[in-house]
Amino acid sequence: DQQVKQNSPSLSVQEGRISILNCDYTNSMFDYFLWYKKYPAEGPTFLISISSIKDKNEDGRFTVFLNKSAKHLSLHIVPSQPGDSAVYFCAASGGETSGSRLTFGEGTQLTVNP
Amino acid sequence: GAVVSQHPSWVICKSGTSVKIECRSLDFQATTMFWYRQFPKQSLMLMATSNEGSKATYEQGVEKDKFLINHASLTLSTLTVTSAHPEDSSFYICSASSLAPGEQETQYFGPGTRLLVL
Repeated sequence: DQQVKQNSPSLSVQEGRISILNCDYTNSMFDYFLWYKKYPAEGPTFLISISSIKDKNEDGRFTVFLNKSAKHLSLHIVPSQPGDSAVYFCAASGGETSGSRLTFGEGTQLTVNP
Repeated sequence: GAVVSQHPSWVICKSGTSVKIECRSLDFQATTMFWYRQFPKQSLMLMATSNEGSKATYEQGVEKDKFLINHASLTLSTLTVTSAHPEDSSFYICSASSLAPGEQETQYFGPGTRLLVL
């Protein structure tokens, strides 16, 4: 049972435009959501997170939106830069998952073209 | 802040040997560390949750006798792949859980260890 899903395996965006990465979840007990960025052969890098008591969190070029009723979150990157090209994972914790145990989506490969 | 290191970054070993991978939280104490495995073009697969001073909790399907985890201190966890076989070749990543005041726990990941078993 895939509780966190990223339905788009890849996304291609032009430099300077907005990148929107989407994530859906099924477990209504999740109360904390995170986005990680990963380059090949490296560990994931924490980008931004959001608690279920909020619907938006912004940090520089990165904004995460949470729609609890739709069980959907998205990561907006604006303006996109070629260095943003990487695999982006969304993750969730809470509910039955003990402590800070994370459930990851499958990842979305973002390519930002110069 | 919140830096996690792993050692070694890559290792090649013969089938049947054991390999130890270290995970350290450099600038914070982590009561909980996690071990993941990633296959090419796949998501991170949680192998086990490691709590300082207690036995690790393994995910379903992960052999605890094959993947030995020791969390001896608040800054160090080790994963030992015992009697490694070619199918154990993978990218192993650890993470450490950090809890800042007023924040929820966030996992910070190490750079990963590439294991190749010949």
